[in-house]
Amino acid sequence: QLQVQESGPGLVKPSETLSLTCTVSGGSISSSSYYWGWIRQPPGKGLEWIGSVYFSGGTFYNPSPLKSRITISVDTSKNQFSLRLSSVTAADTAVYFCARHEKEGTRKWYFDLWGRGTLVTVSS
Amino acid sequence: EIALTQSPATLSLSPGDRATLSCRASQSVSSYLAWYQQKPGQAPRLLIYDASNRATGIPARFSGSGSGTDFTLTISSLEPEDFAVYYCQQRSHWPTFGQGTKVEIK
Repeated sequence: QLQVQESGPGLVKPSETLSLTCTVSGGSISSSSYYWGWIRQPPGKGLEWIGSVYFSGGTFYNPSPLKSRITISVDTSKNQFSLRLSSVTAADTAVYFCARHEKEGTRKWYFDLWGRGTLVTVSS
Repeated sequence: EIALTQSPATLSLSPGDRATLSCRASQSVSSYLAWYQQKPGQAPRLLIYDASNRATGIPARFSGSGSGTDFTLTISSLEPEDFAVYYCQQRSHWPTFGQGTKVEIK
């Protein structure tokens, strides 16, 4: 059964770079049918899509001011994709989820498989 | 950015009640809207996609309707496991989510 799981530091200092990895298990990240995305949820708040990556390396980023700080990459040899968010502040404190969404068809760009999420706190 | 406004923020109901949740878009999203359920400490779960299609394994008591800017999620008879937060999400433009409606036990 396909699963995705986030990993990375739970605490990051202000102005530093947040780095998270999502590992895909039970299937291949190189499927032509899916994008792989990052979504975050600040404590007690709603959900925000950060960006998505295709197995070939193509990316889509949220065009908000967040875009200038985001890098999402994929490593097919490890069946992983990663998020880097630079120059973090306390406002970046959130649970970060990795998720899958279909590339084509009626369910494209809906997130049908999620990780459990990982809390990242930005604090000195 | 297409903003999604959900109402009410909180819905206090009893098991067996009918729940009606609303999601309004700042501009038309056609039928490109989904609903998710999130329980405390868990990831969201896709319930409904393209406004009215139930995702795999979702019980028939969950139904969605609407198009354009106004959408509704209906839970016909609340089960104890349905008390959770519900989010809408559009895919007409880059993905955005509503702020959520909490369905709590009255």
